[in-house]
Amino acid sequence: ETGVTQSPTHLIKTRGQQVTLRCSSQSGHNTVSWYQQALGQGPQFIFQYYREEENGRGNFPPRFSGLQFPNYSSELNVNALELDDSALYLCASSRNTDNEQFFGPGTRLTVL
Amino acid sequence: DAKTTQPTSMDCAEGRAANLPCNHSTISGNEYVYWYRQIHSQGPQYIIHGLKNNETNEMASLIITEDRKSSTLILPHATLRDTAVYYCIVRVFQGAQKLVFGQGTRLTINP
Repeated sequence: ETGVTQSPTHLIKTRGQQVTLRCSSQSGHNTVSWYQQALGQGPQFIFQYYREEENGRGNFPPRFSGLQFPNYSSELNVNALELDDSALYLCASSRNTDNEQFFGPGTRLTVL
Repeated sequence: DAKTTQPTSMDCAEGRAANLPCNHSTISGNEYVYWYRQIHSQGPQYIIHGLKNNETNEMASLIITEDRKSSTLILPHATLRDTAVYYCIVRVFQGAQKLVFGQGTRLTINP
C-alpha cells in the first residue's frame, strides 16, 4: 500500500510569486488535510478537503487555497508569497474525516 | 490553541521504557487523545489514539486517567530510532477533524 506522497521535495521562490504544492493521498483515503510547520514549531492546520469540497479551514488568509481532485489527490496554492510563508508544508490523508491522519514527507518551501 | 501541556524535553536510556506524560484538563467527553511523533524534518508519524480506555499497539501503549485529564504514552523498550519530538493532541470536533499540535516533547534516547 502506497503511503502519502508530496511533490516537490524542496522549492525556492521569491516574494510575490505564486506556488503550487501537490499531494497524493493514500489508497482508500478520501480526505486530505494541509498543515504548515514553521521552523521549531508544531504543524498548524491550513484546511481540509473531503470528497472534493473544503471541509474546514484554519486561521490562514484567502491567498492560501486548495483543490481536491476526483482521485482524492490535492493541491495547495499560495499566492503573493511572503517571507513568513517559508515553512515545511505537510499533507495528511485519512480514510474519512474522523479517522487517523497519515502524513506525507512534506515540501520545504523557502521564500527569498 | 493547543489543548495539551507536555514537558519540553525528556531523556531515556536505550532499552528502558520511555514514559511521556501529557495534560489535557479541558478535554471534552467526545474528544480523542492522539499521539504522533516527528523525526527531524520528516512528516509526523501516527502512533496511537484513545478515548477513555487504555490502548496498545505494536508501537506503544496509551494510558488515560479515569478523569481523562491526563495521559501517558509508553514506549516499552526504547531504541535510538525513537529519538523524536512527540506530540500529544486532543482532536477537536469543530467542523473539520483537525489536529491541533502544541510544542511537543523532544525525547532523546541515550545509548
